[in-house]
Amino acid sequence: NAGVTQTPKFQVLKTGQSMTLQCAQDMNHEYMSWYRQDPGMGLRLIHYSVGAGITDQGEVPNGYNVSRSTTEDFPLRLLSAAPSQTSVYFCASTQAGSYEQYFGPGTRLTVT
Amino acid sequence: RKEVEQDPGPFNVPEGATVAFNCTYSNSASQSFFWYRQDCRKEPKLLMSVYSSGNEDGRFTAQLNRASQYISLLIRDSKLSDSATYLCVVENTDKLIFGTGTRLQVFP
Repeated sequence: NAGVTQTPKFQVLKTGQSMTLQCAQDMNHEYMSWYRQDPGMGLRLIHYSVGAGITDQGEVPNGYNVSRSTTEDFPLRLLSAAPSQTSVYFCASTQAGSYEQYFGPGTRLTVT
Repeated sequence: RKEVEQDPGPFNVPEGATVAFNCTYSNSASQSFFWYRQDCRKEPKLLMSVYSSGNEDGRFTAQLNRASQYISLLIRDSKLSDSATYLCVVENTDKLIFGTGTRLQVFP
């Protein structure tokens, strides 16, 4: 099992550009989440999904969209990148009934 | 007040030392508590859950004090490989709230 995979590992965007961060898991987990991690802030929840076709907003959803068309994939789309979105983004998956999150290796995004 | 608060450290300890981290949380209704470990520039990984009665996993002991709303992590006989950031995580209305982490550096 690959677990949770994320692509790309690194990305540099210019302000106003859009892009999609990819996340996939092969553990058949129902729940998937996107977090961002900034210095001194801890991990903050952006969006999450409790199953295919169902998504909801987390603590910091503005500027991001998600979709969950399959159990395996949970892409995060940045609509119009801003310097404030410079961060490390982690995707995570969780089995229903558990709180143990399995994280992907992260995407380091810089917006100039 | 932050929902989950931790001393950021760093805690610099010699090999073999015992070190303890505390974490406070604000929501008295929280039911589930965890410690995650995060190595530099890596993803967080679950270290252990924290149960009301306290629990131990080898050199690691986690305890919960509901009355004072804090959890603790004790590491005995520290190893160089224990150097990492330890994240306190608290469940709040079915979502996980992560603390900013406490950095531990173990030196020879």
